[in-house]
Amino acid sequence: DIVMTQTPLSSPVTLGQPASISCRSSQSLVHTDGNTYLSWLQQRPGQPPRLLIYKISYRFSGVPDRFSGSGAGTDFTLKISRVEAEDVGVYYCMQTTRFPLTFGGGTKVEIK
Amino acid sequence: QVQLVASGGGVVQPGGSLRLSCAASGFTFNSYAMHWVRQAPGKGLEWVTFIQYDGSTDFYADSVKGRFTISRDNSKNTLFLQMNSLRPDDTAVYYCARNRNPDFWGQGTLVTVSS
Repeated sequence: DIVMTQTPLSSPVTLGQPASISCRSSQSLVHTDGNTYLSWLQQRPGQPPRLLIYKISYRFSGVPDRFSGSGAGTDFTLKISRVEAEDVGVYYCMQTTRFPLTFGGGTKVEIK
Repeated sequence: QVQLVASGGGVVQPGGSLRLSCAASGFTFNSYAMHWVRQAPGKGLEWVTFIQYDGSTDFYADSVKGRFTISRDNSKNTLFLQMNSLRPDDTAVYYCARNRNPDFWGQGTLVTVSS
């Protein structure tokens, strides 16, 4: 199975400041079709996960442009350019290149 | 708009069975693969199982293989998860999610396995 490792575990951020989350996979996420199926999910308290970013850097419908994704191969990053109060929650990276789908352990974003 | 409404959760004794449903609306259900993903209380996300859009292919996590069965009724826009031989570590909120690369997630239904 592909192991997804996220850092940090927790990220206290001042409103309006940037935040960055890293995700590393135990093997390359490049699919045989040439795409890299790495997504980022947001889970607000008491809510189901919500897709933010797919295929490393594509923002899903309705996602604010302060969220961006980057990376390649086994190293990926989610950035929030200016954190807002509604961004509080846990963020997960997820690989869907190979079964079983696997998730990072989560990063809790909270306001300082 | 896309809606996925999971139901069927509850409290069950170890060794018991439960059948979850996920009612889909707002999209062409029979064109999309589906997943079940679970989240134990206070923990992260764990993928459980997948089914292809036409039911032709399915995959399972090792932790549930041989105990859980995923199925779908495209005429009723509904996804199912039959869970047998339940164990305390199956306690979790179970989410249904749309698409081979999940894009929409339902609200989830809580399954508690306890004596």
